[in-house]
Parts: sequence; C-alpha cells; structure tokens
Amino acid sequence: LAKTTQPISMDSYEGQEVNITCSHNNIATNDYITWYQQFPSQGPRFIIQGYKTKVTNEVASLFIPADRKSSTLSLPRVSLSDTAVYYCLVGPGGNTPLVFGKGTRLSVIA
Amino acid sequence: GAGVSQSPSNKVTEKGKDVELRCDPISGHTALYWYRQSLGQGLEFLIYFQGNSAPDKSGLPSDRFSAERTGGSVSTLTIQRTQQEDSAVYLCASSFGQLKQPQHFGDGTRLSIL
Repeated sequence: LAKTTQPISMDSYEGQEVNITCSHNNIATNDYITWYQQFPSQGPRFIIQGYKTKVTNEVASLFIPADRKSSTLSLPRVSLSDTAVYYCLVGPGGNTPLVFGKGTRLSVIA
Repeated sequence: GAGVSQSPSNKVTEKGKDVELRCDPISGHTALYWYRQSLGQGLEFLIYFQGNSAPDKSGLPSDRFSAERTGGSVSTLTIQRTQQEDSAVYLCASSFGQLKQPQHFGDGTRLSIL
C-alpha cells in the first residue's frame, strides 16, 4: 500500500486559503489520490479525488504534480466550519481497501 | 436521500458481554466497510465486503470480532466477550463497486465497555 505523510495539525485564520500537502513517494501507476474531511462525532466525508494535474469542485481543489509523489488539497477562504480532520488516501493497492492515517487537524481561528 | 445508517448510536455494556452493531448501507452500493476509530486516532480498517465475493477480513483484530452481510445489504458487526480495549467508535461505509469509488460513511456507533 502507498503510505502517506501529512502534517499532524495546521492553524489558519478565517478567510485565508489553506493548503494541506500530502507526500506519497511510492504511489503506484493505478493509484488515485482521495481526500476526506471528518468533523467531530461524524463519519468522514469525501471531498475530492484526482489522478493527475488539477481537479476542482465546489468545495476544494486538488493539485497533483507530474511525478504524483505528493498532492496538495487547497481550501479557499476557510471559515470556522472548516475546522476538521483532513485525510489523504492513496490507492487502491490491488484489492486492498484504502488506509486512513491520522490525518491533518485543521483549526480555523476567527 | 438516505445515507448510511448505523445503530445503535451509542452502546454501553459490561466487559465480557457480546455486542452487535448494525449498518444499513446506501441502496445499490455493493461494497461495505467497517472501521474502528479510537479517541483522537485515525480509522482502523476491520473488514470489507464486495458483492458476493468472500469478505476481506484482514483487519479484524482478533477472533472475537466477526461480521456478516445478509442479502448484499445490511451488515452486522459482532464483538464477543468484549474487553475494555474494544471501546471505540465503530464506523461503517458503503460505496459502489470499485475500491477507488468514494466511501459514504455513517456517523458510527460509540461503544463503551465498562
């Protein structure tokens, strides 16, 4: 399984753009990069998924360089409600389900 | 529309008792996953069902843990002879067939073993 490394925590002020980078040096050719968001007392929620270059939806953008060894989740103009844990996953590795790490705890400050 | 539903939302039981946790996946989703999340930790994969294939049980921590999925829909996670270290939030997710498909999670069952 491709292992991921992401910061344990980040702080940001409201209204700022937040970029969370995930390293996945041994990503495989058929692996996708997927990000989830988890609020306290809730299950994770899918945010965005990509394979290469850039993907954008109504919530976030995902930037993936050509070598695909890292990816950056970009949250535009965060608000207090974006305070959550963000997980970066890489896979699938064959028939094995994706592995959730400990994620990045984002705290948005007023 | 209806999301993944888990019941009960909270369960408190004494050490040594058996517990059953239920998951109702989204209709039409062929894949179903169980995870465990201890306080402040990431998600620990437990078991994965895909259609009629044999489940991937590689994440089950001991033989006290088992899971069934009846009729390709509802799933039950059973923990026998519960121990205090089993206390955690148990999360269920479902998705369309392929592993890369986004998983849709329930809000979990918070299990507390006294």
